[in-house]
Formats: sequence, C-alpha cells, structure tokens
Amino acid sequence: EAGVAQSPRYKIIEKRQSVAFWCNPISGHATLYWYQQILGQGPKLLIQFQNNGVVDDSQLPKDRFSAERLKGVDSTLKIQPAKLEDSAVYLCASSFSGLPNEQFFGPGTRLTVL
Amino acid sequence: RKEVEQDPGPFNVPEGATVAFNCTYSNSASQSFFWYRQDCRKEPKLLMSVYSSGNEDGRFTAQLNRASQYISLLIRDSKLSDSATYLCVVNENYGQNFVFGPGTRLSVLP
Repeated sequence: EAGVAQSPRYKIIEKRQSVAFWCNPISGHATLYWYQQILGQGPKLLIQFQNNGVVDDSQLPKDRFSAERLKGVDSTLKIQPAKLEDSAVYLCASSFSGLPNEQFFGPGTRLTVL
Repeated sequence: RKEVEQDPGPFNVPEGATVAFNCTYSNSASQSFFWYRQDCRKEPKLLMSVYSSGNEDGRFTAQLNRASQYISLLIRDSKLSDSATYLCVVNENYGQNFVFGPGTRLSVLP
C-alpha cells in the first residue's frame, strides 16, 4: 500500500516570497492533517480536514497560511508571504477516519526561509 | 504551562538497560493517548496507543494515570535500534486536536 506522498521534499525561498506544498494521503483515508515541526520541537497541528471540510484550524496563522482539500483527496498548504520563523518541516498525515486512530505521516517538506 | 510536557532528555543508556519516559498533560478532559517514535530526519511513526489499563508490546510497556494526568513508556532490554526521539501525543477532543509533546531523545550506546 502506498504511503502518504508529499512534494517537494526541500524548498529554499527568501522571506516575503510565496510557497506551496502538496500532499496526497493514503487512499481511503478521510482525515488529513498538516503539521509544522520546528527543529527540536514536536509537531504542531496547523489544520485538520475531514473529507473536504475543515474540522480544526485553530492554530493556523490565517493571515499568511492557507490550505485546501477541494475534492476530499489531495491537499495543498500555502504560505504567503513567508517569514524567517516559518523555517520548519511541514508534515502531512492521514488517518482512516476522524476517530483517534493511528496517523500515517508523509516524509515532510523541509522549508528554509532566508 | 505547556499542554503536553515530556522529560527533557537526552537519555544516554547502554545496551540492555531499562529506560522510562514520562509525559504530563494539562487538559483533564483528554481522551486518547499515544507514543510515537521519530528517527532523525524522518517522519513520526506510531509506537503504541496507551490504554487505561496499561498495555505491553514486547519490550515496550505504556501506562496511563488519569488522576495524575501522566503517561509513561518503559523500554526493557534496550537495543541500539531503539535510538530515536519518543513523542507523547494527547488527543484532547475525540478525533480532533492532537497535541504532540516536544519529544525525548534516546541514545542507546554499545
């Protein structure tokens, strides 16, 4: 079974530029999560989707971050404009349903903002 | 106060040692608990869920104390391959709001 796919794996941009990340969850997984993991810290949940609806975006900095999952399958996370403190690994995860089941993580996108 | 706190680490132990990690959480209404393992520069992977009665999986034992709001992970007979960061995860609202702790790094030395 294919795992969670993410692209790109690495991205280097300058501050104030825009960037987008893509995630394709495991087939059949209704729940999709985006996390931000800063070096030396645990992952922080940014947004959680159930199919194509948002169930939790309380920690998403909405002035610069946006995410969508239009068809309830793959998802994109965008940062516009980026700040230095956005440098982190952005992890996408999926699970079978909204229940507290195991989350399967993708390899992440490592973002460096210069 | 942070929502989920863990032993700061790092823990450096010899092969064969027994090591225990602790995790505390602030939200008494939290409902589900997990331990994830994260290897260096890799994604987190589920190690085990934590059940109220405590549960064991081979060399790994997880305990939950709801009254004191802490979770523990015990690793017996440590292997070199156990070297990783161990993340405590608390689900605060059934199926929503997963909160990860900062992680505790373990190095098992030959």
